[in-house]
Amino acid sequence: AQSVTQPDIHITVSEGASLELRCNYSYGATPYLFWYVQSPGQGLQLLLKYFSGDTLVQGIKGFEAEFKRSQSSFNLRKPSVHWSDAAEYFCAVGVRAGGTSYGKLTFGQGTILTVHP
Amino acid sequence: DTAVSQTPKYLVTQMGNDKSIKCEQNLGHDTMYWYKQDSKKFLKIMFSYNNKELIINETVPNRFSPKSPDKAHLNLHINSLELGDSAVYFCASSHLSGLAPGGYGYTFGSGTRLTVV
Repeated sequence: AQSVTQPDIHITVSEGASLELRCNYSYGATPYLFWYVQSPGQGLQLLLKYFSGDTLVQGIKGFEAEFKRSQSSFNLRKPSVHWSDAAEYFCAVGVRAGGTSYGKLTFGQGTILTVHP
Repeated sequence: DTAVSQTPKYLVTQMGNDKSIKCEQNLGHDTMYWYKQDSKKFLKIMFSYNNKELIINETVPNRFSPKSPDKAHLNLHINSLELGDSAVYFCASSHLSGLAPGGYGYTFGSGTRLTVV
């Protein structure tokens, strides 16, 4: 069965510093990978996704992620963090649902990002 | 215009009651989902429907009954509410599997926070 691990439960960075959030997945086939952000009391907003092709994916709000098949990783990065980036970040793998052509997301447990001024 | 809208946003109710959460999407998607986010922020799929047909039922107690009157709506009815049902419930939608290259993946609503007392 597929799984997603986000090793860091909570990360604190200073505003303007660079950021990397780690994500490792386990899935036997070609992974479809996503990063979502959840601000307090809000829904999930898609930051970026990887389906195929270029392994470096650009997303919204200045985020990027790199798919590394050899490491089963899809880490999220941002060169300079803004205070408004404080939120919880979820990595997810999209998989086909049991013998169907339909999909579902399996999420990691999330990483809370705190940004210090 | 809100792409995926859920009502109500907050729901507080007593154990044993029956309640419903409604979801509507105006994206023209044909597949809709319910996800549950528990108190530890862990997100897990519950159901998915494609064009009113049940596709995924992820071992959810039969007190939970989704209903899809048309492909733009997916409601969740919960009978005999229990304390453990307290969670945030997210509705989502996608075009077909949500995993087509070049597609938009999954769009989530802002969630319904259910508190059972």
